[in-house]
Amino acid sequence: GQNIDQPTEMTATEGAIVQINCTYQTSGFNGLFWYQQHAGEAPTFLSYNVLDGLEEKGRFSSFLSRSKGYSYLLLKELQMKDSASYLCAVRDSNYQLIWGAGTKLIIKP
Amino acid sequence: GAVVSQHPSWVICKSGTSVKIECRSLDFQATTMFWYRQFPKQSLMLMATSNEGSKATYEQGVEKDKFLINHASLTLSTLTVTSAHPEDSSFYICSARELAGGDTGELFFGEGSRLTVL
Repeated sequence: GQNIDQPTEMTATEGAIVQINCTYQTSGFNGLFWYQQHAGEAPTFLSYNVLDGLEEKGRFSSFLSRSKGYSYLLLKELQMKDSASYLCAVRDSNYQLIWGAGTKLIIKP
Repeated sequence: GAVVSQHPSWVICKSGTSVKIECRSLDFQATTMFWYRQFPKQSLMLMATSNEGSKATYEQGVEKDKFLINHASLTLSTLTVTSAHPEDSSFYICSARELAGGDTGELFFGEGSRLTVL
């Protein structure tokens, strides 16, 4: 079956750096997405990786290793507003998005 | 960026009534829209893929007759929850994909509609 694994919850300190990991097993691969979702709101797009390596976008970076079925989202200079759930999603060979359960990130002062 | 508007944001209804949720792409044409359901502390669950001018494709376990989807134009898709029951209470979210130029497959989400069935 298809599976996306990411930690349920993480805690970090304001100003610090946090890495949220995502491992996947899917039928084919056509890209990996990271979305941010604040409580009670719809997800917003953060990043897209289809080739191996690191994609940097401001304070957020996303890494992909297709051979390992692994990605991480790196958040730097954490701010209180970064407290949210972070969803990892993989597009399979049928171009269907398979969603992880999300990682709830708690930022402490 | 592309904007998707969803209405209503909140709806409370009595058991047995039907509720319609609208999803509009405001500044682009969306030949395909997606409808998701999300229960508290859980991830998004794809309910159906809505294609303009044709029947929606439902995911396994989603009742077609209960969740009616209509995609009559390139900018509007509707989800009607028929004969709603308390177990249908959830956060319903639509999304659309803008295909103009380098498609990354990025989805643009509506604001979501929180349905509470009493």
